[in-house]
Amino acid sequence: QKEVEQNSGPLSVPEGAIASLNCTYSDRGSQSFFWYRQYSGKSPELIMFIYSNGDKEDGRFTAQLNKASQYVSLLIRDSQPSDSATYLCAVNDYKLSFGAGTTVTVRA
Amino acid sequence: GAGVSQSPSNKVTEKGKDVELRCDPISGHTALYWYRQSLGQGLEFLIYFQGNSAPDKSGLPSDRFSAERTGGSVSTLTIQRTQQEDSAVYLCASSLTTGGDVSNQPQHFGDGTRLSIL
Repeated sequence: QKEVEQNSGPLSVPEGAIASLNCTYSDRGSQSFFWYRQYSGKSPELIMFIYSNGDKEDGRFTAQLNKASQYVSLLIRDSQPSDSATYLCAVNDYKLSFGAGTTVTVRA
Repeated sequence: GAGVSQSPSNKVTEKGKDVELRCDPISGHTALYWYRQSLGQGLEFLIYFQGNSAPDKSGLPSDRFSAERTGGSVSTLTIQRTQQEDSAVYLCASSLTTGGDVSNQPQHFGDGTRLSIL
């Protein structure tokens, strides 16, 4: 499987702040990237996917992709306590290669 | 029921027993995947089905593990002679295939089967 590295957590942010999550991948040929959110004891839930360089926004979430730098990020704006979860970066070349995840805690 | 369905949700069994895990993908999804999530190990790929064929079984950890898919739908993952290190959450995911390509298709996960080997 491809190597996917995420910034080590845990990440603690106050409510209303921006949470920034980073991910790098080893295979320059990778084309599609996913962010999953996983609550404790639950299965991963897809929240964002991105295929092209640049930014992609969906509500409070923005995914950023820079293929030249082999870098993907996820920004969570106006963080809420309900955003407290582990966020998994995944590279898809028909099978997903996951990073270890970053645990985010939003403090009320 | 639009999502991926897995059963049982929990399975506790004794070491040495065989177990069978079931996955019912989203209707119309030709691609089906099994992953495993162990404590401290992260999510690891086990096997990929396209229709009833498994072009990639490279993630199966040993020959005690096997999987099949019938009718392009339901899949079963079988673990024979279970060992304690098999304890994990087994997750199934499915996705569409467009033009023979699944690499750009989001994968949607079921709730998983939590397997505990005593």
